[in-house]
Amino acid sequence: EAGVTQFPSHSVIEKGQTVTLRCDPISGHDNLYWYRRVMGKEIKFLLHFVKESKQDESGMPNNRFLAERTGGTYSTLKVQPAELEDSGVYFCASSQYYRTGEKAFFGQGTRLTVV
Amino acid sequence: SQQGEEDPQALSIQEGENATMNCSYKTSINNLQWYRQNSGRGLVHLILIRSNEREKHSGRLRVTLDTSKKSSSLLITASRAADTASYFCAIIGNDMRFGAGTRLTVKP
Repeated sequence: EAGVTQFPSHSVIEKGQTVTLRCDPISGHDNLYWYRRVMGKEIKFLLHFVKESKQDESGMPNNRFLAERTGGTYSTLKVQPAELEDSGVYFCASSQYYRTGEKAFFGQGTRLTVV
Repeated sequence: SQQGEEDPQALSIQEGENATMNCSYKTSINNLQWYRQNSGRGLVHLILIRSNEREKHSGRLRVTLDTSKKSSSLLITASRAADTASYFCAIIGNDMRFGAGTRLTVKP
């Protein structure tokens, strides 16, 4: 069974540019989460999809961040325009059943550097 | 916020010793999970304890949960150098929230 896949693994962009991160969850998983970790600090929650619906997007920093989950399958996280403080490692995770709190599977993360 | 808070932030021990990490949270939970992250890689699920459970074991791992104190602990017994990693508790309510983790270093 394939795990959670994220790409790109690394991205270096200039301030003001646009970057789109992609996450392919495990097939059949209803829950998809996005997180960001900056410089060894907390793993900050960004948002949670249940199938194609945004269940909770309270962690999204501002309107420069846009997340979508097409047809309840893969998800994209777009940052436009990118700022220096957006640098960090973006993790995606998926789990199977909503509200049962089953274990989540994480991707390897996308390391975003904004210069 | 249902974010977990781990302590200590960093822990350094000798191989063979036990390592204990703690997690506190503020709201009611569905369950609590512990994850491990090796440098530069994604998080890996270690163990899950439900809100009606008090203790759980998995190999060298022992997790306790005290819902009255809103706290959990992760004990790794007979630690090995390969246990060196960051450990996070995940608070599961309506979603899944993490803290800053505990950085464990096991010296050979």
